[in-house]
Amino acid sequence: GDSVTQMEGPVTLSEEAFLTINCTYTATGYPSLFWYVQYPGEGLQLLLKATKADDKGSNKGFEATYRKETTSFHLEKGSVQVSDSAVYFCALSDKGSNTGNQFYFGTGTSLTVIP
Amino acid sequence: KAGVTQTPRYLIKTRGQQVTLSCSPISGHRSVSWYQQTPGQGLQFLFEYFSETQRNKGNFPGRFSGRQFSNSRSEMNVSTLELGDSALYLCASSLVRGTGSDTQYFGPGTRLTVL
Repeated sequence: GDSVTQMEGPVTLSEEAFLTINCTYTATGYPSLFWYVQYPGEGLQLLLKATKADDKGSNKGFEATYRKETTSFHLEKGSVQVSDSAVYFCALSDKGSNTGNQFYFGTGTSLTVIP
Repeated sequence: KAGVTQTPRYLIKTRGQQVTLSCSPISGHRSVSWYQQTPGQGLQFLFEYFSETQRNKGNFPGRFSGRQFSNSRSEMNVSTLELGDSALYLCASSLVRGTGSDTQYFGPGTRLTVL
């Protein structure tokens, strides 16, 4: 079945450090891939997405490239800020499967950025 | 455009009681999904509704149920509450045309505490 495996946290970085959060997936059809972010006490917000192989999603300095050959969608940011402290979720939605709009989420990676 | 709204935001119940949570999707969105989020289990899929029909269901006991109305608003009900039902319940809506998949947009969640 479909699944997402995400880098375990927590991750602690100094401000302006480079961020990578690894995400790999297993899918039976043609997945779209997503990164969501959750700030304390809030719901999940869409950060970026990619709908086909080699697409790059980007938003607020974050980037992720859909790599079909390695079944990966790693999240990167060149210079993190304190305000980026949150929990990040990788997710997939498999358009080719017969499961409607079901999403599969990773376990989440907690990021803390210290000044 | 207004986002996904969930009511109430906070609830305190006692074991054995039942509870109903409400979700209003983004205008025009026809798919509503529900998730349970706990520190130990992460994000777990409950069910998805599309055009008033349950299209997908996660691995939860029958005490968890839901429905969707003709205006796409959705409710979920939990009967005979247990301590382990304490969680953040998240609702997400999607535009979804037909059988395809689409981005999910999340509400702020309802924090349920069972005493």
